[in-house]
Amino acid sequence: DVVMTQSPLSLPVTLGQPASISCRSSQSLLYTDANTYLTWFHQRPGHSPRRLIYKVSNRDSGVPDRFGGSGSGTEFTLNISRVEPEDVGIYYCVQLTYWPLTFGGGTRVEIK
Amino acid sequence: QEQLVESGGGVVQPGRSLKLSCVVSGFNLSDFALHWVRQTPVTGLEWVAVISYDGERSHYADSVKGRFSISRDTFANIVYLQMNNLRPEDTALYFCVRGMDLAFWGLGTLVTVSS
Repeated sequence: DVVMTQSPLSLPVTLGQPASISCRSSQSLLYTDANTYLTWFHQRPGHSPRRLIYKVSNRDSGVPDRFGGSGSGTEFTLNISRVEPEDVGIYYCVQLTYWPLTFGGGTRVEIK
Repeated sequence: QEQLVESGGGVVQPGRSLKLSCVVSGFNLSDFALHWVRQTPVTGLEWVAVISYDGERSHYADSVKGRFSISRDTFANIVYLQMNNLRPEDTALYFCVRGMDLAFWGLGTLVTVSS
């Protein structure tokens, strides 16, 4: 199985400041159709996960443009340009290239 | 309005069975793959199973293979997860998720396996 490793585990951030979360995969996520199926989710306490980013860098409808995804191969990053109060929660990466689908362990973002 | 509503969770003894349902509305089941994904505070998110948009193919996590079975009723717009020989480690919140790209999630149903 592809192992997804996120860092850091916990990320205290200052409102208005940038934040960055790393996600590494144990194998390249580049699929034979030339797409890389790496997705990012945000989960607030008591809520279901909400998809933010798909195929590395594509923002979902309604997701603020302060969220950006980048990376390739086995190294990926989720960036928040200026953290807002509603950004707290846990962020997960997941790979959809291989069966079984596998998730990272999550990064908890909290306000300092 | 698109919705996924899970039900069927509860408390069950180890070795027993439970069948989860996911009622979909606002879209056609035959247009999308449907997954079950589970979550615990300790293990985080774990993908469980998927059924293809045409119902012809399914995949399972190794941890549930041979015990769980995913199926669907396109006329009733329901996806099922039959869970047999349940173990304490199957205790989790079970989500129904739409699309190969995991774009849309239900609110989940809680399964507790305990004697």
